Amino acid sequence: DTGVSQDPRHKITKRGQNVTFRCDPISEHNRLYWYRQTLGQGPEFLTYFQNEAQLEKSRLLSDRFSAERPKGSFSTLEIQRTEQGDSAMYLCASSPGVASLYGYTFGSGTRLTVV
Amino acid sequence: AQSVTQPDIHITVSEGASLELRCNYSYGATPYLFWYVQSPGQGLQLLLKYFSGDTLVQGIKGFEAEFKRSQSSFNLRKPSVHWSDAAEYFCAVVVSGAGSYQLTFGKGTKLSVIP
Repeated sequence: DTGVSQDPRHKITKRGQNVTFRCDPISEHNRLYWYRQTLGQGPEFLTYFQNEAQLEKSRLLSDRFSAERPKGSFSTLEIQRTEQGDSAMYLCASSPGVASLYGYTFGSGTRLTVV
Repeated sequence: AQSVTQPDIHITVSEGASLELRCNYSYGATPYLFWYVQSPGQGLQLLLKYFSGDTLVQGIKGFEAEFKRSQSSFNLRKPSVHWSDAAEYFCAVVVSGAGSYQLTFGKGTKLSVIP
């Protein structure tokens, strides 16, 4: 069990560019979550996958955001036409199926800075 | 909708002193409650969780928390703080019955430890 991996750890991009983040969950976990954390705030839910199906999206997830989880393994989060307000830490978490009540394992996050 | 309030934005304690971090939740039924810790630039680590049963739960690193239904609280405690406990602490709630079991976080309490 190598934990939840996120790549890259840091990303600096110019406003208007597209960025993509990757999350590799714990292999036996079929639930995967994306959260966004801005400075001074707790993480906020963005979206949730069960296996390859994206089952829930927050209203925070504007049309510029898209997430995928092909084959129910790793997931990607893409932000198109980035804005300065997108600057945040993007956290990925995974959990076992029904046992999501037993806690969520978070990755170290990707810190995005839009300049 | 469920919500979590952490009244204290920043707490400073001396090393060796006791600690209590406050958390209040708003939800009609019994929630599932969590405490996470986040070191600077890092992801979230689960300290402890409460689902049911004994209202005093033990976690890692010597932390414990007590669920008090009458006060809608789930305060985190540690009898003797170590310098390495300096971090940000987040209380979170999961609403049972929601398909995604997403976490709703408080805004966090930053803990500073004086040597």
